[in-house]
Amino acid sequence: GAGVSQTPSNKVTEKGKYVELRCDPISGHTALYWYRQSLGQGPEFLIYFQGTGAADDSGLPNDRFFAVRPEGSVSTLKIQRTERGDSAVYLCASSPTAVPYYEQYFGPGTRLTVT
Amino acid sequence: GENVEQHPSTLSVQEGDSAVIKCTYSDSASNYFPWYKQELGKGPQLIIDIRSNVGEKKDQRIAVTLNKTAKHFSLHITETQPEDSAVYFCATGGNKLVFGAGTILRVKS
Repeated sequence: GAGVSQTPSNKVTEKGKYVELRCDPISGHTALYWYRQSLGQGPEFLIYFQGTGAADDSGLPNDRFFAVRPEGSVSTLKIQRTERGDSAVYLCASSPTAVPYYEQYFGPGTRLTVT
Repeated sequence: GENVEQHPSTLSVQEGDSAVIKCTYSDSASNYFPWYKQELGKGPQLIIDIRSNVGEKKDQRIAVTLNKTAKHFSLHITETQPEDSAVYFCATGGNKLVFGAGTILRVKS
């Protein structure tokens, strides 16, 4: 079956601009996660959703970052007033349940470059 | 918060040899320890995981060991093949996974 998909695969934007990154989870998966991966580092947790609600947003670095999942499937990560330090690969993952210790299935990521 | 340290950062082995990657963690309450493999341009893929109620788990050429007292866990790959070349990440946590910095594994044929 189809895995997690993310669009766009690459996004180049200018400092100060607004961007939206989209994640389509595996069908039926109720939990959805966003991570950020800087070059040469492991993924860093940003936020996770259980259904439509954000269950834990403790990893969002500041109020320029926001994520939504209005219908409990597709999610959008929104970044306002982008900074060069926001450049990274943004990974989305989904899981059949929000019960801890279940496998998280990752998408290929969106590479964001802020110039 | 939880902190995970991973060693080595790079590892080169000859095809057929074994590879071992080690991780230590800080939170003694951690119960779940997955290992992910990431190939260039792709997202991480789970290859094996272990929960704190067991000390070892094996799946064909891959095994993971856990020492909760010492707060460390290791990935063992036997009979390495060129297709094992990738970046490997250890992690721990529940819904919120905390990852190590990764190990670049190169298998030379």
